[in-house]
Amino acid sequence: GENVEQHPSTLSVQEGDSAVIKCTYSDSASNYFPWYKQELGKRPQLIIDIRSNVGEKKDQRIAVTLNKTAKHFSLHITETQPEDSAVYFCAASTGTASKLTFGTGTRLQVTL
Amino acid sequence: DAGITQSPRHKVTETGTPVTLRCHQTENHRYMYWYRQDPGHGLRLIHYSYGVKDTDKGEVSDGYSVSRSKTEDFLLTLESATSSQTSVYFCAISESSRASTDTQYFGPGTRLTVL
Repeated sequence: GENVEQHPSTLSVQEGDSAVIKCTYSDSASNYFPWYKQELGKRPQLIIDIRSNVGEKKDQRIAVTLNKTAKHFSLHITETQPEDSAVYFCAASTGTASKLTFGTGTRLQVTL
Repeated sequence: DAGITQSPRHKVTETGTPVTLRCHQTENHRYMYWYRQDPGHGLRLIHYSYGVKDTDKGEVSDGYSVSRSKTEDFLLTLESATSSQTSVYFCAISESSRASTDTQYFGPGTRLTVL
């Protein structure tokens, strides 16, 4: 089955700096790649997603890039703010029943 | 947040007792999922449902069973709870317009402790 690896496991940046989280996947049939943000004690919430027919997608300070050849995708957060501090999860799906395989998460800490 | 509720939100139980967790949705979505979340493992799929009475196993299904008798309810049962099933359990739903690559929305979670 699908395997998703996520790096780094923890990331500390200063407010205003950029943060990048990277994921690789194993199944070349995967075609949907969402990113979830989870604050402490809360549910995961979708922040951005990308499908295999595009290479990049942006939403304000957040962007995701996809390299299908290398089977990796990345989350980019620019101008980080303290409220960006959370755990971020990447995931991949081949489409079958929309099942998701998640990475193990990245704890992002934005310091003042 | 999508119309998803989970009950109970917290539960403490003893090894060997049966436990049932409930997920309820008001969105009329076709697909429903149960995940467990543990430190260092992210979210792992336990079981999922693609319609009333239609369910299938995920990657960590041993020790769990599910049932879906109504579109809006998806039950997760631990027949005989073990300490290794101490975890946070999340339910998720996905829209029914297409079967592939649809967004999943998560419920608030249930924290289960098995002593």
